[in-house]
Amino acid sequence: DAGITQSPRHKVTETGTPVTLRCHQTENHRYMYWYRQDPGHGLRLIHYSYGVKDTDKGEVSDGYSVSRSKTEDFLLTLESATSSQTSVYFCAISESYLNTEAFFGQGTRLTVV
Amino acid sequence: AQKVTQAQTEISVVEKEDVTLDCVYETRDTTYYLFWYKQPPSGELVFLIRRNSFDEQNEISGRYSWNFQKSTSSFNFTITASQVVDSAVYFCALRFTGTASKLTFGTGTRLQVTL
Repeated sequence: DAGITQSPRHKVTETGTPVTLRCHQTENHRYMYWYRQDPGHGLRLIHYSYGVKDTDKGEVSDGYSVSRSKTEDFLLTLESATSSQTSVYFCAISESYLNTEAFFGQGTRLTVV
Repeated sequence: AQKVTQAQTEISVVEKEDVTLDCVYETRDTTYYLFWYKQPPSGELVFLIRRNSFDEQNEISGRYSWNFQKSTSSFNFTITASQVVDSAVYFCALRFTGTASKLTFGTGTRLQVTL
């Protein structure tokens, strides 16, 4: 199994508070992604990274920011959590940009109350 | 625009039945990759198969088989003699050339296999 760890696995937070989710990999893969999974929407890309300090927005990036200061860590921050950000968040990693599959972390279930 | 459509939201079958999960994609790229992932009730996403746009050979792996047809932009997944352990949500995904080549997912098909 690919070495990807997401933390925390579960979190309940209050509306308006900042929240940071962490994705840590031991595979030295260049590409890292944050997705959110919601019923009826499948997985939607929030942000992605193609190298240290190289990040870009996905299709649902509003209200989220990311940082990648080391190859192994990709942080997702909800600047001011809202109930619409209640979701399951998945981190994924990929060795190369096309001809490889992406491996996913176990997911983080975030509830904003 | 890149898009993946899984029109079947939910399928229920009885064990030992064959079942096909449909996946239709849209892309203007000539080079792209298609994937299937399984998400069992435990929640993790498990990679099943990768297929590139230049390889239309069908693939069989045990009870699983995949039918890739560029002419109809489809990449369908068949489970033969389904088992209860096949119960999961199955996602089809598309990866195309571009910065970081993001995976675009379909909305998933929930498969319920009962005894």
